[in-house]
Amino acid sequence: EPEVTQTPSHQVTQMGQEVILRCVPISNHLYFYWYRQILGQKVEFLVSFYNNEISEKSEIFDDQFSVERPDGSNFTLKIRSTKLEDSAMYFCASSPEDSAYEKLFFGSGTQLSVL
Amino acid sequence: AQSVTQLGSHVSVSEGALVLLRCNYSSSVPPYLFWYVQYPNQGLQLLLKYTSAATLVKGINGFEAEFKKSETSFHLTKPSAHMSDAAEYFCAVTKAAGNKLTFGGGTRVLVKP
Repeated sequence: EPEVTQTPSHQVTQMGQEVILRCVPISNHLYFYWYRQILGQKVEFLVSFYNNEISEKSEIFDDQFSVERPDGSNFTLKIRSTKLEDSAMYFCASSPEDSAYEKLFFGSGTQLSVL
Repeated sequence: AQSVTQLGSHVSVSEGALVLLRCNYSSSVPPYLFWYVQYPNQGLQLLLKYTSAATLVKGINGFEAEFKKSETSFHLTKPSAHMSDAAEYFCAVTKAAGNKLTFGGGTRVLVKP
């Protein structure tokens, strides 16, 4: 079965450092998403991406965050200068269509720890 | 704006017993509602969804949920728990179009032999 792959599974970084979280969506998917879950809190939407541009973003997704699809297979989330409060589990998701809930697949997440 | 509240961050059930996970939602438009499951070290997997058709929705692994508009609820049930049901379960809501989901806080289910 196809799956969304996220690397690394755990990332530890120092406050103020840049971090890049990587995702390989399912190959024929066109819509890409990042969500995050701070420990003990809800899973929160960060950003959606389609046709090489951001289609929607939340209030959390400020200037410190950026997303990119640098080639035909990867989808990355960059945090420019990490803060302690960026520590969370980050989930990537992809879908072949908008509103295609049965076809929205999530990766297993990257646990980011900012020290 | 939409929101979801899951009552109980942890639920413990005996194998063979009823599983009941509670979800209440708030939405200014007719909602689409979902239950996702996350097994250890895996991604979120769709269990079932409600998208304005039948109010009783059946999903995978013997789970079902009932949409009750009068109670703004979408509780998840399974008649008989199995050890393999141990996981974290998330209720989510969205408006009719788009893949942007608003999640509840999750409920971790422990199944006792």
